[in-house]
Amino acid sequence: NAGVMQNPRHLVRRRGQEARLRCSPMKGHSHVYWYRQLPEEGLKFMVYLQKENIIDESGMPKERFSAEFPKEGPSILRIQQVVRGDSAAYFCASSIGAGGTYEQYFGPGTRLTVT
Amino acid sequence: AQTVTQSQPEMSVQEAETVTLSCTYDTSESDYYLFWYKQPPSRQMILVIRQEAYKQQNATENRFSVNFQKAAKSFSLKISDSQLGDAAMYFCAYSSNNAGNMLTFGGGTRLMVKP
Repeated sequence: NAGVMQNPRHLVRRRGQEARLRCSPMKGHSHVYWYRQLPEEGLKFMVYLQKENIIDESGMPKERFSAEFPKEGPSILRIQQVVRGDSAAYFCASSIGAGGTYEQYFGPGTRLTVT
Repeated sequence: AQTVTQSQPEMSVQEAETVTLSCTYDTSESDYYLFWYKQPPSRQMILVIRQEAYKQQNATENRFSVNFQKAAKSFSLKISDSQLGDAAMYFCAYSSNNAGNMLTFGGGTRLMVKP
């Protein structure tokens, strides 16, 4: 049973370009969470999605950031017109159900570098 | 809003010795979950141990145990018989069914293990 997969593992973008980060949850998991980790800091929640629905996007910046989890295919975190401050590690986690009862399994992360 | 605080940026322990990592949190809820995650240099987030707030008994997982003090809102992690492979960043995290299911992380403690 494959774990949570994220790609690419490393992504370099110039300022103003778009970044697309992909997350394939564990088999049977329909709940996906995105977190961002700035250097030397803890992970910060960005968005929580279920299939075809955004449940909670309270941690996601209002501009330039968007997320989706389509019926088929991976969840996508999209960052438009990237700036240097977007450089961070972005982690995806998935769970089989909602709530703290269910463990969130993390992917290996995507390290985004904006030059 | 829930907050999680880890007051020890770095800790050091001699191999085979015991070390305790501190964590405090703030919440107005009575039903919640607490976690310790390990992040080695690979950056993969690994769940070490979890505690349900309604359980009075402290959770244990082999060499890892917690001291959960609900009234004091304290959740420390004890690592016994420390091994070189325990060297990593350790993050305390909080989740509740009423807080959107996301994990709220502390700032982390870097644990160094001396041979």
